[in-house]
Amino acid sequence: DTAVSQTPKYLVTQMGNDKSIKCEQNLGHDTMYWYKQDSKKFLKIMFSYNNKELIINETVPNRFSPKSPDKAHLNLHINSLELGDSAVYFCASSSNFSPTGRNTEAFFGQGTRLTVV
Amino acid sequence: AQSVAQPEDQVNVAEGNPLTVKCTYSVSGNPYLFWYVQYPNRGLQFLLKYITGDNLVKGSYGFEAEFNKSQTSFHLKKPSALVSDSALYFCAVRVLYKLSFGAGTTVTVRA
Repeated sequence: DTAVSQTPKYLVTQMGNDKSIKCEQNLGHDTMYWYKQDSKKFLKIMFSYNNKELIINETVPNRFSPKSPDKAHLNLHINSLELGDSAVYFCASSSNFSPTGRNTEAFFGQGTRLTVV
Repeated sequence: AQSVAQPEDQVNVAEGNPLTVKCTYSVSGNPYLFWYVQYPNRGLQFLLKYITGDNLVKGSYGFEAEFNKSQTSFHLKKPSALVSDSALYFCAVRVLYKLSFGAGTTVTVRA
C-alpha cells in the first residue's frame, strides 16, 4: 500500500504546454512538499503546505501553481512549460512540526520525470 | 536561514571497510537532522534522524550517524559497507515546515 503516490511517473510534453502532476498521501500527514531534482541530482524545495495552506514558496516562477484540495492531496500545475523545467519532481509528506521531533521525517513519492521537448 | 553541506561528491570504499559520509549544517536554533538514501530511478528513503538526546543515532540497514553540536556536523557511518549500499545519500535539516537537503554524496562500494 503506497504511502505517497504520484502520477504520472513519466511525462513528455512540448514547450508551451500546460501539465499537471498529482500527489496523494495516505499517512494522515498535515504537511506536504514539492521538490525539484535537477540533472545534477540537487534537490530543491519548491513548495510546502500545511493543512492545505501554503507555507513556503521558494521563489518558484508563477507558472508553477500548487493546489491542495484537502490535506491528503497536493497537485502541481505547470503552465507554459519550458525546456528548463525538465527534471524529476518529488512529492513528500510529513507530520506537523513537533517540538519533540517525533515522526518528523518526510516520506517521498517515487517521482515524476518531466521531459520538455 | 538554514543550509546543509556535503563536502564530498563521491565516496568510494571497498566492501567490508568502514563507510563515512560527511555532513555539516547551519541553522538558527536546534536542528532536526536526517539522512536519506536514493537508489537509481527511485524516491528517497529515510535512514535515520537526530532530534535530541544521544548524539549517536542508529537507523536502517546498519547505518548510524553522529551528531556533533560544536562542529555542527552529522556524519553518516557504517562499520562494514556492502556493495548494495552503493547509492546517493542526502543529508537534510528541518526547521518548522522547511526541509532542506545537501547536494548529495554518491557512494560506490566495490566488491
